[in-house]
Amino acid sequence: NAGVTQTPKFQVLKTGQSMTLQCAQDMNHNSMYWYRQDPGMGLRLIYYSASEGTTDKGEVPNGYNVSRLNKREFSLRLESAAPSQTSVYFCASRTAGPSGNTIYFGEGSWLTVV
Amino acid sequence: AQSVAQPEDQVNVAEGNPLTVKCTYSVSGNPYLFWYVQYPNRGLQFLLKYITGDNLVKGSYGFEAEFNKSQTSFHLKKPSALVSDSALYFCAVSFPSNTGKLIFGQGTTLQVKP
Repeated sequence: NAGVTQTPKFQVLKTGQSMTLQCAQDMNHNSMYWYRQDPGMGLRLIYYSASEGTTDKGEVPNGYNVSRLNKREFSLRLESAAPSQTSVYFCASRTAGPSGNTIYFGEGSWLTVV
Repeated sequence: AQSVAQPEDQVNVAEGNPLTVKCTYSVSGNPYLFWYVQYPNRGLQFLLKYITGDNLVKGSYGFEAEFNKSQTSFHLKKPSALVSDSALYFCAVSFPSNTGKLIFGQGTTLQVKP
């Protein structure tokens, strides 16, 4: 049972390069999320998709774009990477319904922008 | 603004002793409260949550948490710590009708020494 799968696990980018982080879940969840984790700041929401076909900005969306490709997949794109985007990125998902439903996280993608 | 605070960056306990990791929140309405654990270079794992009902919630690996509405706290506890409990712990809240988005505290590192 894979749960939430993210690729790549590690990536080093040069400033100005672009890349896409891929995320897929096999739990038939409706909602998907992208968070970034920085030391001492917890996790902050970048974008989310409440259901297939919809996306919305979170707390820190600048410099990112997302695509909800289908119910399973939710990708995060950095169009022109900046050193400030060096972080650990987590994809997550949850089933539809009350907000008390548990969110499940992937294993993370470590991104370094030099 | 809605926020979650974990007032201790690090908690140190001896193996076999009880542990407490503190969490307070500042939100309007009735939030749902969660605890997650993160082991080095891994994703977040769900521990437990409070939705409604009994203020004492039991979760995975022998952890429990007590919801205190008057003190707006949701402290994580375990009667007898294990070295393997050493990890980074996150408290988080979500709200009804906010599509399940989580707001995280900054995290507390738990160090259990033999």
